[in-house]
Amino acid sequence: SQTIHQWPATLVQPVGSPLSLECTVEGTSNPNLYWYRQAAGRGLQLLFYSVGIGQISSEVPQNLSASRPQDRQFILSSKKLLLSDSGFYLCATAGSTDTQYFGPGTRLTVL
Amino acid sequence: GNSVTQMEGPVTLSEEAFLTINCTYTATGYPSLFWYVQYPGEGLQLLLKATKADDKGSNKGFEATYRKETTSFHLEKGSVQVSDSAVYFCASGDTGRRALTFGSGTRLQVQP
Repeated sequence: SQTIHQWPATLVQPVGSPLSLECTVEGTSNPNLYWYRQAAGRGLQLLFYSVGIGQISSEVPQNLSASRPQDRQFILSSKKLLLSDSGFYLCATAGSTDTQYFGPGTRLTVL
Repeated sequence: GNSVTQMEGPVTLSEEAFLTINCTYTATGYPSLFWYVQYPGEGLQLLLKATKADDKGSNKGFEATYRKETTSFHLEKGSVQVSDSAVYFCASGDTGRRALTFGSGTRLQVQP
């Protein structure tokens, strides 16, 4: 079975600072990978998804970016954080079916 | 595009009460449908799914039936426990993007 790792688990960053969140997947190869954001008390917003190395699709224009340097590694970045970037960031993976499996999440607070 | 609508929460029930959380969807074609559960501070866990009309997904006493006629996938459980307290998300598959469209989530609180 597949395992999804995310780090860090929690992060507090000042406005204007850079961001790098990492997601790695074990137990599967060539997965689809996803980044979601969940604002406090809200549903999930799909930010990016990737069907392969170097292939990134952006769902929402914003100051975030994503990269997939390796088959099972997905990175979410920002050059300058905004207050509105605060939230719970979830990485997810899917294989040959459309069932998605989620990591434990990273809670980001921007002050 | 697809959309998923869930009943507003929070839903507060006493232990052993019957649970229904409504979910309806709009989509092109017949997407797979899912229920995910999120416990405090954790990621989402797949609870159950159904891939075609009239399928019933079930797990841990929860069940939901894919109703094509009413475009619904309501979550039910006959007797809830305090440990079922969590946020429940309904989702539909989007084969074009290989992504899921989520509802806004329904918080369930079960009191002893």
